[in-house]
Amino acid sequence: QVQLQESGPGLVKPSQTLSLTCTVSGGSISSAGYHWSWIRHHPGKGLEWIGYIYYSGSTYYNPSLRSRVTISIDTSKNQFSLRLSSVTAADTAVYYCASAIAAAPLDLWGRGTLVTVSS
Amino acid sequence: DIVMTQSPDSLAVSLGERATINCKASQSVLSSSRNKNYLAWYQQKPGQPPKLLIYWASTRESGVPDRFSGSGSGTDFTLTISSLQAEDVAVYYCQQYYNTHTFGQGTKLEIK
Repeated sequence: QVQLQESGPGLVKPSQTLSLTCTVSGGSISSAGYHWSWIRHHPGKGLEWIGYIYYSGSTYYNPSLRSRVTISIDTSKNQFSLRLSSVTAADTAVYYCASAIAAAPLDLWGRGTLVTVSS
Repeated sequence: DIVMTQSPDSLAVSLGERATINCKASQSVLSSSRNKNYLAWYQQKPGQPPKLLIYWASTRESGVPDRFSGSGSGTDFTLTISSLQAEDVAVYYCQQYYNTHTFGQGTKLEIK
């Protein structure tokens, strides 16, 4: 079955750019109608949707993060990626990748990866 | 943006008793053309990703016990656990997928 796996540095310095990759296995990231999301969970707080991308490259971002977020897709590697610029301690969180068919709930999630912003 | 607000923030219920969590959307998530509410409920346990429980406001995901049920339409929704089990201790989130995605702030469910 399809699985998602996040990867990337667990520690990022303030003001730098956080970069994570989600690898899709057991299925194609180019599947028509699917979108590929990033969500984060701040310690002791709730879930925050960051944004998603379609295989076509169309992106949709959380307005509160739009100025700092870029989500991209690499169909040749079956991966999609997150870049979050100018990070602060407030960006410390567990970052999840997830997927869904368009206009449907997120029914497949990665296990998540903790990213800490600290000098 | 559609803002999702859950109540209560935390809830303690005795084993075997009913647990009820509410979710209110700042605007309707009902599609009149499809007659579907774009509302889901997730369960998250410590150290795990969220698990989809219910979608279209009232459809249980495959494998979810039937003690979990969802109801509501438009802007007001409810998740009910009819008879609380120990393994139901978790944080529960509602989510709208009518216009991108937004989550509620979460409700922490504990055993009384």
